[in-house]
Amino acid sequence: SAVISQKPSRDICQRGTSLTIQCQVDSQVTMMFWYRQQPGQSLTLIATANQGSEATYESGFVIDKFPISRPNLTFSTLTVSNMSPEDSSIYLCSVDTRGDNEQFFGPGTRLTVL
Amino acid sequence: AQTVTQSQPEMSVQEAETVTLSCTYDTSESNYYLFWYKQPPSRQMILVIRQEAYKQQNATENRFSVNFQKAAKSFSLKISDSQLGDTAMYFCAFMNNYQLIWGAGTKLIIKP
Repeated sequence: SAVISQKPSRDICQRGTSLTIQCQVDSQVTMMFWYRQQPGQSLTLIATANQGSEATYESGFVIDKFPISRPNLTFSTLTVSNMSPEDSSIYLCSVDTRGDNEQFFGPGTRLTVL
Repeated sequence: AQTVTQSQPEMSVQEAETVTLSCTYDTSESNYYLFWYKQPPSRQMILVIRQEAYKQQNATENRFSVNFQKAAKSFSLKISDSQLGDTAMYFCAFMNNYQLIWGAGTKLIIKP
């Protein structure tokens, strides 16, 4: 497995603002994933972020709303832009450390938008 | 489309009892992976156990084991000698081509 950290662990933001969430891994990984977990719900994949290429977004998620950076093999950021209360969720990053289809997750960022 | 169904929104058992969580899935693929993840109140998503579809032998990890029925597309999780620390949301997930498809989750409560 890998040690994955996320910053911030939680935040309360005003509508219309943006928040950038960081995901740091203690080893080099090719594939990183960003998920959203709305209150009481399961996980929904936002995008897959591979180093050296543009992130691949899932249906219903767009780059203007959720821009992602992947500057190196151990780090990624997800920005939630122009936030509304509907963006209140837990945001999680995950990695596939061994390329064997097993994903390990960060501790998550709990976002509340007022 | 691939789907994962967990039919038990919530379950509650006494400590030390055995509990089985159900999961069914739908896919036309022959090669895939199945997972059970645990999410305690701390919200950390923890991998409990995995099963490769090509393996007939059911996976086991200490007190956790699965009953994988490929033809029936069923993948249940059995927790033996349940402990208070097993209290969490449990998610069944299907993977094909690196994308995880998640069930809605089962809230498991272990009572002292």
